[in-house]
Amino acid sequence: EAGVVQSPRYKIIEKKQPVAFWCNPISGHNTLYWYRQNLGQGPELLIRYENEEAVDDSQLPKDRFSAERLKGVDSTLKIQPAELGDSAVYLCASSLEEAGSSEQYFGPGTRLTVT
Amino acid sequence: AQSVTQLGSHVSVSEGALVLLRCNYSSSVPPYLFWYVQYPNQGLQLLLKYTSAATLVKGINGFEAEFKKSETSFHLTKPSAHMSDAAEYFCAVRETGTSYGKLTFGQGTILTVHP
Repeated sequence: EAGVVQSPRYKIIEKKQPVAFWCNPISGHNTLYWYRQNLGQGPELLIRYENEEAVDDSQLPKDRFSAERLKGVDSTLKIQPAELGDSAVYLCASSLEEAGSSEQYFGPGTRLTVT
Repeated sequence: AQSVTQLGSHVSVSEGALVLLRCNYSSSVPPYLFWYVQYPNQGLQLLLKYTSAATLVKGINGFEAEFKKSETSFHLTKPSAHMSDAAEYFCAVRETGTSYGKLTFGQGTILTVHP
């Protein structure tokens, strides 16, 4: 079974430029998460989708970040414009939510460097 | 909100020695707790999870963790370290309520294994 796929794996951009990350979750998983992991820290949730609906986006900086999950499968996370402080690893995870203890499966992440 | 504290950002052991990685959590309700491992340039992989069943949880690669409610702890152990265990380890608690599904991670502990 294929795992969570993310692309690109690495991205270097100049500040003020836009950038987009793509995630393909595990087939059949209804819940998708985007996390941001700063250097030397644990991941922090940006947004959670249940099917097509964003059910928790309280930590998403909405002035520059946006996300979508069309058709409840793939998802795209966008930053426009990027700032130096956005340099981090962006992780996508998916799960099949059932009794509340469902495991989240993580992709390899996209390492963003803003110069 | 729930939180996780990992004591010790770096732990160093000799090959064959006991591995002990500490995790304390704060939660007003019985939590779901997880340990993840992250190898360089990879996503997070689940080692084990506690979901209110047995307090001693066995995971992959010989790791286990014990849930101690009185100490609000969920320490990760392995009797004999192997070189391949060198990685970063994250403890996480699963949110309840309106943030249901969100994982809150600790800061991580980097494990180094010496020959």
